[in-house]
Amino acid sequence: GQNIDQPTEMTATEGAIVQINCTYQTSGFNGLFWYQQHAGEAPTFLSYNVLDGLEEKGRFSSFLSRSKGYSYLLLKELQMKDSASYLCAVRDSNYQLIWGAGTKLIIKP
Amino acid sequence: NAGVTQTPKFRVLKTGQSMTLLCAQDMNHEYMYWYRQDPGMGLRLIHYSVGEGTTAKGEVPDGYNVSRLKKQNFLLGLESAAPSQTSVYFCASSPSGGSGSETQYFGPGTRLLVL
Repeated sequence: GQNIDQPTEMTATEGAIVQINCTYQTSGFNGLFWYQQHAGEAPTFLSYNVLDGLEEKGRFSSFLSRSKGYSYLLLKELQMKDSASYLCAVRDSNYQLIWGAGTKLIIKP
Repeated sequence: NAGVTQTPKFRVLKTGQSMTLLCAQDMNHEYMYWYRQDPGMGLRLIHYSVGEGTTAKGEVPDGYNVSRLKKQNFLLGLESAAPSQTSVYFCASSPSGGSGSETQYFGPGTRLLVL
């Protein structure tokens, strides 16, 4: 079967750095996505990785290791507005997105 | 440019009732998707469409039907609602089947409660 694992919930302090991990086992691999979802809202795209390594985009970075089936999302200089759920999704061999259950990130002042 | 819109935003149904959820996109995207999101679970694909007049089953299609008569619209129907269909339903669209970094764009969601 296909499986994507993320921690259910994480807590961090405003101004700090947090790393959200994602491990996956899927039928094929055609890229990994991170989405942000605020409570009661739609998911919005954050980042995409298809090759091993780090992709940086402002305060957010995403890392991929295909051999380990592992990715992480790194959020720097945390702000209160970063309180949200972060969804990891893998595009499988059929080009369908397989989604993790999401990690709820709580930011404390 | 409204992106992806969904109607209604919220609905309460009784078991056995039927309803249709409407999704519309104004980005001229070929692909459209219906997902459901339940607590503690990832988004699960119900049905999807690769173009006007086509539909295909996703991971959890039972109890749902879809139609894509116009490119910009994707309808999700529940013929006889069951409490297990209580969920948040998201529609999404993408330009094509997902090459490279092409992402899916999501609507605001429909919250459905089946009593």
